[in-house]
Formats: sequence, C-alpha cells, structure tokens
Amino acid sequence: DTGVSQNPRHKITKRGQNVTFRCDPISEHNRLYWYRQTLGQGPEFLTYFQNEAQLEKSRLLSDRFSAERPKGSFSTLEIQRTEQGDSAMYLCASSLFWAIGELFFGEGSRLTVL
Amino acid sequence: EDKVVQSPLSLVVHEGDTVTLNCSYEVTNFRSLLWYKQEKKAPTFLFMLTSSGIEKKSGRLSSILDKKELFSILNITATQTGDSAVYLCAVTETSGSRLTFGEGTQLTVNP
Repeated sequence: DTGVSQNPRHKITKRGQNVTFRCDPISEHNRLYWYRQTLGQGPEFLTYFQNEAQLEKSRLLSDRFSAERPKGSFSTLEIQRTEQGDSAMYLCASSLFWAIGELFFGEGSRLTVL
Repeated sequence: EDKVVQSPLSLVVHEGDTVTLNCSYEVTNFRSLLWYKQEKKAPTFLFMLTSSGIEKKSGRLSSILDKKELFSILNITATQTGDSAVYLCAVTETSGSRLTFGEGTQLTVNP
C-alpha cells in the first residue's frame, strides 16, 4: 500500500500521560500536514512541513503539542500531559509542494483521553 | 480569520435524487476552494476550483465557484447509496499552506 500510513490507529490514555503518533506520507510527497477532527466538525489545521522544515503552526495549538519530521520523510506528533479535550481523530496528510490543496489523507489516529 | 460555512449540515434523499450542497466562505487572500468526500475516515479529494464560472465535472458530480458572491456548490445527480458520506468544503489562501474546512454536509442516500 503506497498511501499515507498512520499509527497507532487507536490510542486510549489517561489524562496527564504523553502520547505520540506517527505518520508515513506518500514517498515522493514533500509536504506533510497534521489536522485534528472532532465529531461533527471538519478537520482543523495543526501544522505542516515542507521536507524537514516546519513552516506553519496553528495559533490555536497548545505548547503541549509538538511535531517533528526529522529527515523529511515520516513525522511524529507528540501530545504531552494529555487532557480530555485532546480526544479527537488526528489526521495526517501529504502532498506534492506544487499541488496546493490536493491532500492525500491517512485514516487517522483516534485518541481517547480518560 | 478564514471561515467556511456549509449548508445544509445534513441531508437525506432517495436514490436517484439530485442534490445540491452549498459552501460559502470568507478568506483574506483567496487562492482556491476544494471539495472532499469523507466516507468513514480519510477525506478524499474531489475538486479544486480557482476560477469563477468554470464547472468542474467528474461523472455524476459537478462543482462551480462564484468568486464575486463567495460561494460554491457541489451537485450530485442520480444519487446512489455509495454517495452517502460527509462532503467537506475547504479554502486555501495565496500562501497555500493550510486548508480551512467547513463543518461538512452529511449526505445520506436511502435505497
């Protein structure tokens, strides 16, 4: 399968714990995005990378959230000291840098914070 | 801040009906408007529109953009049960970095 791959697919954690999600984009795609989606809402932008550079981060993103893309390939999204409000589907997407807007999404990592 | 409003939020139709989904937007430096289909998990790309009045078409789906009135419509003719999904509208700015999504329209097509 050459699509966007995310893991784990589901994560249940207790409030206050740290969690990390991984995203493997389509190999030739140099842009990688993280979005968060809650029930009944559209995806909300978190951050994006072009190659290994993090070029934009949402103003709404708490300092507890950090993302990396160390070698310009896979990316990780870490949430520290999780809160119940962090419960959501975390979607990763990738694209070619010139194909603005045409994103290929992974199936997401669902986080439940108890 | 960019804003996308979709209507209706929910729609139930019978197979064979034609539906029109609406999307209005406010964006500072408009670049493009996009439509995505989300069935269970991953949204999948349908259309990208950048110019007013030019219809994009793919099979039974078509979409058009009005940059003067700041809206777009997505039409689905002869609906099938497989069209049941959430349809998301999104906009990008000239910087092109992020998509701002609307809440989506939940379409249910009954046999």
